[in-house]
Amino acid sequence: AQKITQTQPGMFVQEKEAVTLDCTYDTSDPSYGLFWYKQPSSGEMIFLIYQGSYDQQNATEGRYSLNFQKARKSANLVISASQLGDSAMYFCAMREEPGANNLFFGTGTRLTVIP
Amino acid sequence: DTAVSQTPKYLVTQMGNDKSIKCEQNLGHDTMYWYKQDSKKFLKIMFSYNNKELIINETVPNRFSPKSPDKAHLNLHINSLELGDSAVYFCASSQGGDNQSPLHFGNGTRLTVT
Repeated sequence: AQKITQTQPGMFVQEKEAVTLDCTYDTSDPSYGLFWYKQPSSGEMIFLIYQGSYDQQNATEGRYSLNFQKARKSANLVISASQLGDSAMYFCAMREEPGANNLFFGTGTRLTVIP
Repeated sequence: DTAVSQTPKYLVTQMGNDKSIKCEQNLGHDTMYWYKQDSKKFLKIMFSYNNKELIINETVPNRFSPKSPDKAHLNLHINSLELGDSAVYFCASSQGGDNQSPLHFGNGTRLTVT
């Protein structure tokens, strides 16, 4: 079974608007971490934000915030005030278990910001 | 001052050849990885390695082998290259045992097998 599911292959957003990129996950471990990465057309993988399963508050990093709904097993990324430079692939990823190292990635969402 | 660097950036070679991709990290991390990104952008773990153990994804053909001369390096050797090996290969590192530690990625190596 897929550990990470991103159901939106592509999304469009108007510049300066907010956009939500969906991510659901599947795990039976009580302790896990959720990550979002950005991959622009240049190809590098850029870490954006982290949410731990025991964190009480939603993570925020600048214009990025994570809408963490543990009961629904969702960890959606919210980008506020979209900029043209936000156009990229966005990947949700999960690390299970304390001590486990690997990140399992979703299939990604391609975000296009329209001027 | 690049954190995770991998070389070469592009690699074009013929079927049947043997090639290597080098990776170095200067973050002091103790765990390194190789990921493969296919043409549909799906990222799949190939290996993770720290001082104690090598964990191999069972779906990875044994033509692929990681080699770590020291904690800061994890090179990828590929024997008898096949057309299906064409992909972007990413090296990454993290602090093992720290659940919050994100993976820091290199810029990728685009391998094209002809």
